[in-house]
Amino acid sequence: GDSVTQMEGPVTLSEEAFLTINCTYTATGYPSLFWYVQYPGEGLQLLLKATKADDKGSNKGFEATYRKETTSFHLEKGSVQVSDSAVYFCALRRETSGSRLTFGEGTQLTVNP
Amino acid sequence: DGGITQSPKYLFRKEGQNVTLSCEQNLNHDAMYWYRQDPGQGLRLIYYSQIVNDFQKGDIAEGYSVSREKKESFPLTVTSAQKNPTAFYLCASTSDRSSYNEQFFGPGTRLTVL
Repeated sequence: GDSVTQMEGPVTLSEEAFLTINCTYTATGYPSLFWYVQYPGEGLQLLLKATKADDKGSNKGFEATYRKETTSFHLEKGSVQVSDSAVYFCALRRETSGSRLTFGEGTQLTVNP
Repeated sequence: DGGITQSPKYLFRKEGQNVTLSCEQNLNHDAMYWYRQDPGQGLRLIYYSQIVNDFQKGDIAEGYSVSREKKESFPLTVTSAQKNPTAFYLCASTSDRSSYNEQFFGPGTRLTVL
């Protein structure tokens, strides 16, 4: 079945550090890929998305590139801020599964001033 | 403003009691979902509904029930058969007319069973 694997957390960085959160997936066909962010005590918000190989999703300084050859969708940001502290979820939607999403375990990010 | 509301934000119940969590959306979305989130785990799908008066079990439906009598509403009942109901519950919705089928999430309800 479909699955999403994220790097183990928690991740702790200093402000202005470079961020990478790894995400790899297993799915048949050509899934769409998503990163969601969850701030403390809140629901999830879509951060960025990519629907085909080599697409790059970007938003608020975050980027992720859909790599079909390595089945990966790693999240990156060049300079993190304290306000980026949150839990980040990688997810996929298979073409044939309607709008159902499969989520990774989530990665807790803490950015210290 | 359009969005998804969940109420209440915090809910406490005694063991053995059924409890219903509310989820309402005014986005005119066709599909709605219920997820459960436990510490250190991803979201797990409980139930989903693609259209009114129809719903399907997700990956962890045992001990839960839902109804979809109106397009805007998708309440979740946590029954006494659910062995470990304490968790954070998230409702989401999506429009089939969106090419990306982006899911929009409510703020969640934290259920604690005492």
